[in-house]
Amino acid sequence: GENVEQHPSTLSVQEGDSAVIKCTYSDSASNYFPWYKQELGKGPQLIIDIRSNVGEKKDQRIAVTLNKTAKHFSLHITETQPEDSAVYFCAAAITGGFKTIFGAGTRLFVKA
Amino acid sequence: NAGVTQTPKFQVLKTGQSMTLQCAQDMNHEYMSWYRQDPGMGLRLIHYSVGAGITDQGEVPNGYNVSRSTTEDFPLRLLSAAPSQTSVYFCASSYRGQSTDTQYFGPGTRLTVL
Repeated sequence: GENVEQHPSTLSVQEGDSAVIKCTYSDSASNYFPWYKQELGKGPQLIIDIRSNVGEKKDQRIAVTLNKTAKHFSLHITETQPEDSAVYFCAAAITGGFKTIFGAGTRLFVKA
Repeated sequence: NAGVTQTPKFQVLKTGQSMTLQCAQDMNHEYMSWYRQDPGMGLRLIHYSVGAGITDQGEVPNGYNVSRSTTEDFPLRLLSAAPSQTSVYFCASSYRGQSTDTQYFGPGTRLTVL
């Protein structure tokens, strides 16, 4: 089955710096890659996603990149702010399927 | 809309006790699911349902039962709690359950089994 590895497990940056979280997946059939943000005491919330026919997608200060050949995808947050502090999960799924496999999560700290 | 609601927020059980975690959604979503979140392991799918009367197993179904008698509700039952079931449990729903549909998560239930 699919396995998603996520690094780093913890990331600390200064406000205004960039943060990068990396994930790898094992199942070459996976073609949909969502990212979720979990704030303290809340459930995860979708922040951005990318499909395998696209190499990069941006939404304001966040962007995702996908390298299908290497089975890597990454989340980039620019100009980080304290409110970006949260746990971020990457995930992989197959279009049409009913199961999403999540990475272990990255706890991001943005220091003011 | 209240979205996805879960009760209780916190629960402490003794080994062998049973309980039901409640989940409800008011978005008329067909798909509902249960995940458990453990440190260093992310979110793992326990059971899911693609509609009333239909349920299926996820990655870690052992020790848990589910049923889906209505579109709105999807309770998770622990028949005989074990310390290994200490975790944070999240219920989620999506429109049709297709992997590309956005999943909406509830606030979670933190369960401790002594």
